[in-house]
Amino acid sequence: GAGVSQTPSNKVTEKGKYVELRCDPISGHTALYWYRQSLGQGPEFLIYFQGTGAADDSGLPNDRFFAVRPEGSVSTLKIQRTERGDSAVYLCASSLTAGRGQETQYFGPGTRLLVL
Amino acid sequence: GNSVTQMEGPVTLSEEAFLTINCTYTATGYPSLFWYVQYPGEGLQLLLKATKADDKGSNKGFEATYRKETTSFHLEKGSVQVSDSAVYFCALSALGGGADGLTFGKGTHLIIQP
Repeated sequence: GAGVSQTPSNKVTEKGKYVELRCDPISGHTALYWYRQSLGQGPEFLIYFQGTGAADDSGLPNDRFFAVRPEGSVSTLKIQRTERGDSAVYLCASSLTAGRGQETQYFGPGTRLLVL
Repeated sequence: GNSVTQMEGPVTLSEEAFLTINCTYTATGYPSLFWYVQYPGEGLQLLLKATKADDKGSNKGFEATYRKETTSFHLEKGSVQVSDSAVYFCALSALGGGADGLTFGKGTHLIIQP
């Protein structure tokens, strides 16, 4: 498939555990974004990458959240010491570039995280 | 900061009715504006966009016009179908400042009855 893919599709963990969520962007897209969507809300921006570097991580809620994109393609969102409030759908999106905010972002199906 | 306000749902209409979903925004500078749609069981997908004032975005019979004077981007369709049932999100992307992350509204759940 040519779209954005995310794994796993569902993740159940216990409070205090560490989780990793993976995103495979569309081939050739240099910009990659992570969002979090809580029930009944719109997606909330977390972080975006241009290439390998995090160009803006202002949306990360605290230092338990971290994301990497070491080779400029696949990205991993890492959450340490998970809390029940972290339960949400984590969405990944990619765009061809990140120029001037006009680029269309293509979204993956999301990872539904449940922290018990 | 940037924000998007859209009408609360659910919105229930009969097939062939006229649709308007209101969206207003607050942003610094000159944002680009988007409508995304999420069909049942599917991911978010772009419906239409407009990148400057007075631009009209259109797709699948839906239209929205970027109104800078009223800071609005209302979504309209002349005759809705059952297949239009979905959640619709208005969003903006602020230019400049390095951040291209989208700011979304809370979403409007649209239900079209046959």
